Amino acid sequence: DTEVTQTPKHLVMGMTNKKSLKCEQHMGHRAMYWYKQKAKKPPELMFVYSYEKLSINESVPSRFSPECPNSSLLNLHLHALQPEDSALYLCASSQLTRDTGELFFGEGSRLTVL
Amino acid sequence: QKEVEQNSGPLSVPEGAIASLNCTYSDRGSQSFFWYRQYSGKSPELIMFIYSNGDKEDGRFTAQLNKASQYVSLLIRDSQPSDSATYLCAVNRRTGGFKTIFGAGTRLFVKA
Repeated sequence: DTEVTQTPKHLVMGMTNKKSLKCEQHMGHRAMYWYKQKAKKPPELMFVYSYEKLSINESVPSRFSPECPNSSLLNLHLHALQPEDSALYLCASSQLTRDTGELFFGEGSRLTVL
Repeated sequence: QKEVEQNSGPLSVPEGAIASLNCTYSDRGSQSFFWYRQYSGKSPELIMFIYSNGDKEDGRFTAQLNKASQYVSLLIRDSQPSDSATYLCAVNRRTGGFKTIFGAGTRLFVKA
């Protein structure tokens, strides 16, 4: 069982919709991440939160808006997406007390934009 | 030049053989190195990490790191059909959180 929980597992939305992806972890990790993965491609880093503050934004379009309400929760707000944004969105967490930074992934939210 | 390069494969080995997966990276500031396994339709799961030069063994898996050559490898001994998956090499450096960059992945097929 994964200790990083993502909801929903599947999401279909139109280009004018507003939706959110949610991620929760209870491992006490203080870094949380959003990755985007297209079919047969590796995960691409989108955002990193460290101690609930946004520390890395990989030049992601503003139609993706991350939020970290507390150390256990991470949201990704979606608005005015394009069909090419259809992908698997992966949340991950890691410790910050170790220098290695291994990632623990959730099962992902598969997004389809119509 | 990509930050992390892997041979995309597919790599096909018979059951019981040794599978050898290779990876090179370009950023000498990279601090830690990882191998993740990803089954089709699933999320990546950590197989091994290594941050010092040399070998690190865990069961059937051995990771090797050569920072001078900027080279990381993963050996899978006694390969099983259940090892058939995509293996992602990843490197990270600490900048706030950790910036982890993945290679394109190598698809491994283990034939029974």
